[in-house]
Amino acid sequence: AQSVAQPEDQVNVAEGNPLTVKCTYSVSGNPYLFWYVQYPNRGLQFLLKYITGDNLVKGSYGFEAEFNKSQTSFHLKKPSALVSDSALYFCAVRDQAGTALIFGKGTTLSVSS
Amino acid sequence: EPEVTQTPSHQVTQMGQEVILRCVPISNHLYFYWYRQILGQKVEFLVSFYNNEISEKSEIFDDQFSVERPDGSNFTLKIRSTKLEDSAMYFCASSENRQGGSPLHFGNGTRLTVT
Repeated sequence: AQSVAQPEDQVNVAEGNPLTVKCTYSVSGNPYLFWYVQYPNRGLQFLLKYITGDNLVKGSYGFEAEFNKSQTSFHLKKPSALVSDSALYFCAVRDQAGTALIFGKGTTLSVSS
Repeated sequence: EPEVTQTPSHQVTQMGQEVILRCVPISNHLYFYWYRQILGQKVEFLVSFYNNEISEKSEIFDDQFSVERPDGSNFTLKIRSTKLEDSAMYFCASSENRQGGSPLHFGNGTRLTVT
């Protein structure tokens, strides 16, 4: 069965600094990987995905993620954080046979001005 | 941009009662899902639905739960005999197809409070 680990409950970064939110996964076969963001009292909003191809994928709002097959990781990154990036971030994985996305426990990103 | 809409936004019910949560998926999407989130924490998969059948379900989705698409537009989650621990945020989602890279699009959720 597939699973996702987000080792950090919270990441704190100053505005303008680069940010990284970590994610590792376990899945049979090739993974489909996703990042979502959740603002308070809202649903999950799709940011980006990895299917195949380039290991660096770009998504919404300046976010990008780096797929590393040997480390089974899919870390979310942004070169320069904004206060408005403060939210709850979820990594998710789907295997080739399934329909469901399986989510990690989430990481709260706090960007200070 | 098309959206998944959920009603009601907040539902309060007494323990033992039945509730129905409603969702209108994005119109050209074929796969539908229910997830729940307790206290803003982990998002847990409940069930996926395609072609009027359940495609996958988790261990959480026991006989207390059921889903249906009664009229070709609404997608509902029924919880029979609610328990206190069913209190959570319930999210509906839809995707265009089951291709692995097809992302899920989520509604804003229904907050269920069981008293």
